[in-house]
Amino acid sequence: EAGVTQFPSHSVIEKGQTVTLRCDPISGHDNLYWYRRVMGKEIKFLLHFVKESKQDESGMPNNRFLAERTGGTYSTLKVQPAELEDSGVYFCASSQDQGAPMNTEAFFGQGTRLTVV
Amino acid sequence: DQQVKQNSPSLSVQEGRISILNCDYTNSMFDYFLWYKKYPAEGPTFLISISSIKDKNEDGRFTVFLNKSAKHLSLHIVPSQPGDSAVYFCAASVGNAGGTSYGKLTFGQGTILTVHP
Repeated sequence: EAGVTQFPSHSVIEKGQTVTLRCDPISGHDNLYWYRRVMGKEIKFLLHFVKESKQDESGMPNNRFLAERTGGTYSTLKVQPAELEDSGVYFCASSQDQGAPMNTEAFFGQGTRLTVV
Repeated sequence: DQQVKQNSPSLSVQEGRISILNCDYTNSMFDYFLWYKKYPAEGPTFLISISSIKDKNEDGRFTVFLNKSAKHLSLHIVPSQPGDSAVYFCAASVGNAGGTSYGKLTFGQGTILTVHP
């Protein structure tokens, strides 16, 4: 079974440009999360989808960030326009239905390293 | 304000000895705790978890201890192996009624563990 996959693995863009990150969760996982790790610090929560709905977007830094999950499958995270402080590693994670009796820990993708120059 | 803290940026241990990684939290609402392991250029991988109704959970060489009154948890690895060398993240969440993780995770900064042969 495929794990969580993210594209691209690495992106270098100039300040002011637009970048779109993509995440394909594990098939059947309703929950999809975006996280970000900046300069070796803690991994910070950005937002949480349940299927196609935003359950919690309290971690989104500002309105330059737009996340979508049309159809409740893959998700995109767009940064427009990108700023220098947006550089970091963006992780996507997915988990099963929280009402399931089994383990619902989140599985992470390998991350997208974004560098804004 | 960082709600989950790992105060040791790094830890070096000899192969075969015990590794003890520590984590402190401040939010009393947290009732589910997890440890993730991360290798370079990979996403975090779930290692072990503990619900606040327990004070210890064991899985092979890995044991997590939770001291609720002190808001402190620790991960013990016995015996340590060179393949355990990685960054270890402590994470916390507000659990659901089923005693599993719910929603977003709040991470610590990570501790780099190096196990020397």
